[in-house]
Amino acid sequence: EPEVTQTPSHQVTQMGQEVILRCVPISNHLYFYWYRQILGQKVEFLVSFYNNEISEKSEIFDDQFSVERPDGSNFTLKIRSTKLEDSAMYFCASGSTGGSYTFGSGTRLTVV
Amino acid sequence: QQQVKQSPQSLIVQKGGISIINCAYENTAFDYFPWYQQFPGKGPALLIAIRPDVSEKKEGRFTISFNKSAKQFSLHIMDSQPGDSATYFCAASISGTYKYIFGTGTRLKVLA
Repeated sequence: EPEVTQTPSHQVTQMGQEVILRCVPISNHLYFYWYRQILGQKVEFLVSFYNNEISEKSEIFDDQFSVERPDGSNFTLKIRSTKLEDSAMYFCASGSTGGSYTFGSGTRLTVV
Repeated sequence: QQQVKQSPQSLIVQKGGISIINCAYENTAFDYFPWYQQFPGKGPALLIAIRPDVSEKKEGRFTISFNKSAKQFSLHIMDSQPGDSATYFCAASISGTYKYIFGTGTRLKVLA
């Protein structure tokens, strides 16, 4: 079964450092998303991406965040200057339509 | 208005019993309601979904009941098994936006 692949599975970074979280969506999917889940809390929408541009973003997705599809297969989330409160599981998802989509297993980001 | 309220927060069920998780929403523009299952360390996985033009959808042991007038929907897991022990999230979305609003999750434990 096709899956969304995320790397790394766990990243530890110092506060103020930049991190890039990587995702390989399912190959024929056109819609891409990032969500985050702070430990023990609900899954929160960050951003959706379609046709090489951001379709929608939440209030969480401020100027510290950016997304990119650099090479037609990868989809990345960059956090420019990490804060302690950015510590969370970050999930990438992709979909062939705008409806249901498939999540990856996530990257656990720990900011120290 | 964008919230989806989910209850209970945790649920313990005996093997073979019925697990029931409830969600409620306010925004009548929501028109797609998926349920996701999440095991520890994994991303959410789509379990079953419904649109408001039907009142019930059944897939195997999993059933969604949908009450449009009450703006409520629920997941029923029949003949619950220990392997069903996971966190379940309801979600809602609006066609054309493609982002999901997740409920706060229900941690289900099925006792052997």
